[in-house]
Amino acid sequence: SQELEQSPQSLIVQEGKNLTINCTSSKTLYGLYWYKQKYGEGLIFLMMLQKGGEEKSHEKITAKLDEKKQQSSLHITASQPSHAGIYLCGGSFWGTYKYIFGTGTRLKVLA
Amino acid sequence: DTAVSQTPKYLVTQMGNDKSIKCEQNLGHDTMYWYKQDSKKFLKIMFSYNNKELIINETVPNRFSPKSPDKAHLNLHINSLELGDSAVYFCASSLRGGAGAYEQYFGPGTRLTVT
Repeated sequence: SQELEQSPQSLIVQEGKNLTINCTSSKTLYGLYWYKQKYGEGLIFLMMLQKGGEEKSHEKITAKLDEKKQQSSLHITASQPSHAGIYLCGGSFWGTYKYIFGTGTRLKVLA
Repeated sequence: DTAVSQTPKYLVTQMGNDKSIKCEQNLGHDTMYWYKQDSKKFLKIMFSYNNKELIINETVPNRFSPKSPDKAHLNLHINSLELGDSAVYFCASSLRGGAGAYEQYFGPGTRLTVT
């Protein structure tokens, strides 16, 4: 069964608007990763979160991991067309080699 | 320099054929992966090698056989191709593998179409 669920599945926003993508795990995460995939291309690593309550930012993108290490959010401030793509969360779990990806969120930013 | 490269980028072939996809990473990473992304963009791991040793082998038909001649290369050979094999296949690498926290670096993908 899929262990990482993302919401929403797709999102269309006007340029300049803020948005949030969520990722929920059915089990406690060892590491939570955010990737971006441009259409027709490979995944690009954005950020990694490991500690409960951790928050990281890069340019206009902020990612947070909750204290229980089962939920993460990705927030984009003042979105731009260059933010468009598919955002995937990935997760690794303690004691296993398993590394899985979420269901993905397709983001479109209207100019 | 490309960190993780795959060839070919596109592959169109007929059912029943055998084909290979090659992957190379120049990052000095120990671990490499093969993923399959279906039409709904769902990404699922197929195999993982750590220093040429197979560490992850998900439920994949045995028509798929990975081969790692050295830790910088991980190739995927597919026998008797079927229509359902059509997908985008991604190669990735990470500094290390196994239980832990590590980011992965992905190749550009190979779009396989089986007719």
